[in-house]
Amino acid sequence: GDSVTQMEGPVTLSEEAFLTINCTYTATGYPSLFWYVQYPGEGLQLLLKATKADDKGSNKGFEATYRKETTSFHLEKGSVQVSDSAVYFCALRRGNQFYFGTGTSLTVIP
Amino acid sequence: EAQVTQNPRYLITVTGKKLTVTCSQNMNHEYMSWYRQDPGLGLRQIYYSMNVEVTDKGDVPEGYKVSRKEKRNFPLILESPSPNQTSLYFCASSFNGGQGANYGYTFGSGTRLTVV
Repeated sequence: GDSVTQMEGPVTLSEEAFLTINCTYTATGYPSLFWYVQYPGEGLQLLLKATKADDKGSNKGFEATYRKETTSFHLEKGSVQVSDSAVYFCALRRGNQFYFGTGTSLTVIP
Repeated sequence: EAQVTQNPRYLITVTGKKLTVTCSQNMNHEYMSWYRQDPGLGLRQIYYSMNVEVTDKGDVPEGYKVSRKEKRNFPLILESPSPNQTSLYFCASSFNGGQGANYGYTFGSGTRLTVV
């Protein structure tokens, strides 16, 4: 069946460091892929998405590219800030089925 | 503002006392869903609805009920809450698959439920 696997955390980085959070997926057909962010005490917010192979989603300095050949959708940011501290979820959607990764906690220290 | 509104945000209740968590969306979404989030277990789907009067079980439906009498509302009902239902609950909505499959969820802010 369909599934999403993302790197386990927690991840701790210094401010201005480069961030990568790995996400790979298993799915039949052509799912849409998403990254969500959950700040402390809040709900999940859509961060970015990509709906077909080679699409790049981007928002707030974060980027992820839909790689069908490697079934991956890794999240990257060139220079993280303290305000990026949150839990990040990778997800896929195929039809009306949504599949979420288990979340990766990121802490950015000044 | 497009949003999913859940109420209450926090709730402490006693075992066996029926409760309802409300969820309302203003985006004309057909698809609505309830999740619970527990440490180490991620998000688990409780129930979902593809349209008015159409609901179906998710991965962890035991102990919960839902109804979808209007498109905008999707309440979650716990008829006899137990301590193992202590959790953080999220309502989410989206357009249906097909033409809507490129859309992600819009989530509510969450309801933290404690059953003692």
